Amino acid sequence: NAGVMQNPRHLVRRRGQEARLRCSPMKGHSHVYWYRQLPEEGLKFMVYLQKENIIDESGMPKERFSAEFPKEGPSILRIQQVVRGDSAAYFCASSPPEETQYFGPGTRLLVL
Amino acid sequence: AQSVTQLDSQVPVFEEAPVELRCNYSSSVSVYLFWYVQYPNQGLQLLLKYLSGSTLVKGINGFEAEFNKSQTSFHLRKPSVHISDTAEYFCAVSKGFKTIFGAGTRLFVKA
Repeated sequence: NAGVMQNPRHLVRRRGQEARLRCSPMKGHSHVYWYRQLPEEGLKFMVYLQKENIIDESGMPKERFSAEFPKEGPSILRIQQVVRGDSAAYFCASSPPEETQYFGPGTRLLVL
Repeated sequence: AQSVTQLDSQVPVFEEAPVELRCNYSSSVSVYLFWYVQYPNQGLQLLLKYLSGSTLVKGINGFEAEFNKSQTSFHLRKPSVHISDTAEYFCAVSKGFKTIFGAGTRLFVKA
């Protein structure tokens, strides 16, 4: 049973470009979570999704950030018009309902 | 609201010595508690978790943690560390789907 998969592992973007981060949950997991880790800090919750639904996006910046988890395919975290402050590691986790979250290896975004 | 405080940002220790990484939490309701380890440039790996039952929880790689409700603590311990234990360790608390992480403790194991 493969773990949570994220791609790309590393992503470089110039200011103003768009970044798309993908997360494939573990088999059988219907819940996906996105977290952001800034250098020298812990993980901060961004958004919690189930298939085709955003359950909680209280940690998402109000502008430029969006997330989806379609019926088919991976969950996508999209950042429009990236700025240098968006540089961070973005982690996805998945779980069955109300159970322990398992984390992917992360996508490290660098904005030049 | 829940919060997590990891009292030490860095812990240097010699190989084969014991180590304790401290974690305190605050919550007005019962929560689940976790310790994760993060090796450089990797994701988080679950070390152990407390959901209910025995307050002493054993995890992978020889780690264990004790849940102390009166002191609202969940300290992580290992009786004898290895060089390979050098990593960042995160304490976390969750209620329902929302998981709150501490800022992390960097464990340096020296030869």
